[in-house]
Amino acid sequence: GENVEQHPSTLSVQEGDSAVIKCTYSDSASNYFPWYKQELGKGPQLIIDIRSNVGEKKDQRIAVTLNKTAKHFSLHITETQPEDSAVYFCAAPSRGSARQLTFGSGTQLTVLP
Amino acid sequence: NAGVTQTPKFRVLKTGQSMTLLCAQDMNHEYMYWYRQDPGMGLRLIHYSVGEGTTAKGEVPDGYNVSRLKKQNFLLGLESAAPSQTSVYFCASSYDTAARRNVYEQYFGPGTRLTVT
Repeated sequence: GENVEQHPSTLSVQEGDSAVIKCTYSDSASNYFPWYKQELGKGPQLIIDIRSNVGEKKDQRIAVTLNKTAKHFSLHITETQPEDSAVYFCAAPSRGSARQLTFGSGTQLTVLP
Repeated sequence: NAGVTQTPKFRVLKTGQSMTLLCAQDMNHEYMYWYRQDPGMGLRLIHYSVGEGTTAKGEVPDGYNVSRLKKQNFLLGLESAAPSQTSVYFCASSYDTAARRNVYEQYFGPGTRLTVT
């Protein structure tokens, strides 16, 4: 099945700086890569995703890049704000018919004021 | 719409006790999932369902059972709780291909924090 590795496990940045979280995956057939944000005491929520036919996707201050050759994708957050503090998960499709996702181990992002 | 709701929010069990976690969604989703979240291990799939009356095992199914008698509800049961089942449990749901929406986008509930002593 799919194996997703996520780094770093914790990340602290100063407010206004950029943050980058990286994930690698094992299944070269995977074609969809979402990022979820989990705020304290809540369930994860999809914030951005990318499909394998593009290399980059942006949505305001967040962007995701994909390198299919190297089998890795990254989340970029620019001009970080305190409300960006959360746990971020990457994911990739698991093999199977139920639209399952294999999640990375998560990154705790802390934006320092 | 309430989205995905989970009951209860917190629970403490003694080893050997049983309980059922309830997940409900009002988005008419076909697919539903149960995950457990443990520190440093991300979200691991316990069981899932592709429609009313169907269930299947995920990555970590041992010690859990599920039922999907109604499309909007997905129940997770622990027959004999063990300390290793101390975790935060999340339910999620998603569209199927007929809905012409992103079938991979999963909508999560707020979670149930379970402690087994």
